[in-house]
Amino acid sequence: SQTIHQWPATLVQPVGSPLSLECTVEGTSNPNLYWYRQAAGRGLQLLFYSIGIDQISSEVPQNLSASRPQDRQFILSSKKLLLSDSGFYLCAWSVLLEQYFGPGTRLTVT
Amino acid sequence: AQSVTQPDIHITVSEGASLELRCNYSYGATPYLFWYVQSPGQGLQLLLKYFSGDTLVQGIKGFEAEFKRSQSSFNLRKPSVHWSDAAEYFCAVGARSNDYKLSFGAGTTVTVRA
Repeated sequence: SQTIHQWPATLVQPVGSPLSLECTVEGTSNPNLYWYRQAAGRGLQLLFYSIGIDQISSEVPQNLSASRPQDRQFILSSKKLLLSDSGFYLCAWSVLLEQYFGPGTRLTVT
Repeated sequence: AQSVTQPDIHITVSEGASLELRCNYSYGATPYLFWYVQSPGQGLQLLLKYFSGDTLVQGIKGFEAEFKRSQSSFNLRKPSVHWSDAAEYFCAVGARSNDYKLSFGAGTTVTVRA
C-alpha cells in the first residue's frame, strides 16, 4: 500500500531564516506531487505541483520554491521566511485524480 | 475555471442526528468530485469520490454523497453522526483537462454535541 511521509511535524523558525520541508511517497511510481498551504481558518491553497522529476509548476508568486530531486521526493524551500509563511503545509500525491495527503507540517514563523 | 462553494462555514449537530453538508461546483464539463475530512492538526482523508455512473456514491465512515448535475451540487450526508465525526469537511472538484489539479471549497466545520 502507499504511504506518504512529511517532516518535520512542527517547526518554529525566525523571520529571515531558511526553510526546507520534505515529503516522500512509498508504494507507487511516478506520482503527481503537490504542496498546499492552509492558513488558520482558511481553505487549502495550492502552492506547487509536479508531474515528474524536475517538472514543477508554481501556482502563486511567493518566496517559496519547490524541487523534486527523485521520483517520490518533493521538497519545499525558502531562502528567507516571512511572517506570512506561517501555516499548515500539506503534501499530497496522486496517480489519477484523487489526491492522498500527508500528515502535514505546522510552521510558525516568529 | 473550476470552483467550489461550501455555503455553510459551521454546522452543529446532535449526536445521533442526521448531517448534510452542501457543496456547489462550477465547471463546464463533467467534473470529478471529492469529499475530504480533516481532524484538527491532521492531513486530509478522502471520504468518497464521484467520477461517473451511479450518482449516489458511498464512502467510508458511513458517509454518502449525491451528484445532481441539474443543481451543480454534490452534497454529503450521514444518517446518524457520531462524536468522532466532529471535524472539518472539504469538497473538491478536479478535471483531467486542468492538469489533475483539485479546487477545494473553504470547508465546513462540524461540531457534534452530546
